[in-house]
Amino acid sequence: AQSVAQPEDQVNVAEGNPLTVKCTYSVSGNPYLFWYVQYPNRGLQFLLKYITGDNLVKGSYGFEAEFNKSQTSFHLKKPSALVSDSALYFCAVRDPRGSTLGRLYFGRGTQLTVWP
Amino acid sequence: EAQVTQNPRYLITVTGKKLTVTCSQNMNHEYMSWYRQDPGLGLRQIYYSMNVEVTDKGDVPEGYKVSRKEKRNFPLILESPSPNQTSLYFCASSLGGYNTGELFFGEGSRLTVL
Repeated sequence: AQSVAQPEDQVNVAEGNPLTVKCTYSVSGNPYLFWYVQYPNRGLQFLLKYITGDNLVKGSYGFEAEFNKSQTSFHLKKPSALVSDSALYFCAVRDPRGSTLGRLYFGRGTQLTVWP
Repeated sequence: EAQVTQNPRYLITVTGKKLTVTCSQNMNHEYMSWYRQDPGLGLRQIYYSMNVEVTDKGDVPEGYKVSRKEKRNFPLILESPSPNQTSLYFCASSLGGYNTGELFFGEGSRLTVL
């Protein structure tokens, strides 16, 4: 069965420091991987995606993520965190094969807090 | 402006009283989906639609119905709401189920069933 794990409910980091939000997935084959961000009282916004090609993908607001097939991970990173990055982050995976194409599986979310 | 619009944004209702949450997108997207968000559980997919007149179940379809008669609209129907359907609901759309594009989300509908 397809699944996504975000092992940390919360990540706290000081402004200016690098941040990492972890995600591992369980999908057979070659998954499509996504990161979304949710600010308070808002819908989710797309940050970046990995479909194929270069394992390091760059997205909005200076975020990037590295796809690691051997570790089945897709960690979100940013070299220098901002207070405004504080939000709830979701990793999502889609299995592009056959009958499950329309299914998108989300992790439980990681609350990122960046303090001044 | 490209957007996904949900209504109502907030609703308090009572057990058993049928309700519909509407969702409309103006981007000519083929794919639409409904999710519910609950603390500690993340987002769980309720139903999705790959195109007009094509719908399928997600992870938690029990107690919900959907229809896709037009491309732009994808209403979520709760025929007989129960308190365990109290949740934050999101509608989302994307270019196509076979496309690798990202989802565009509505602002959410917070439903309380007493």
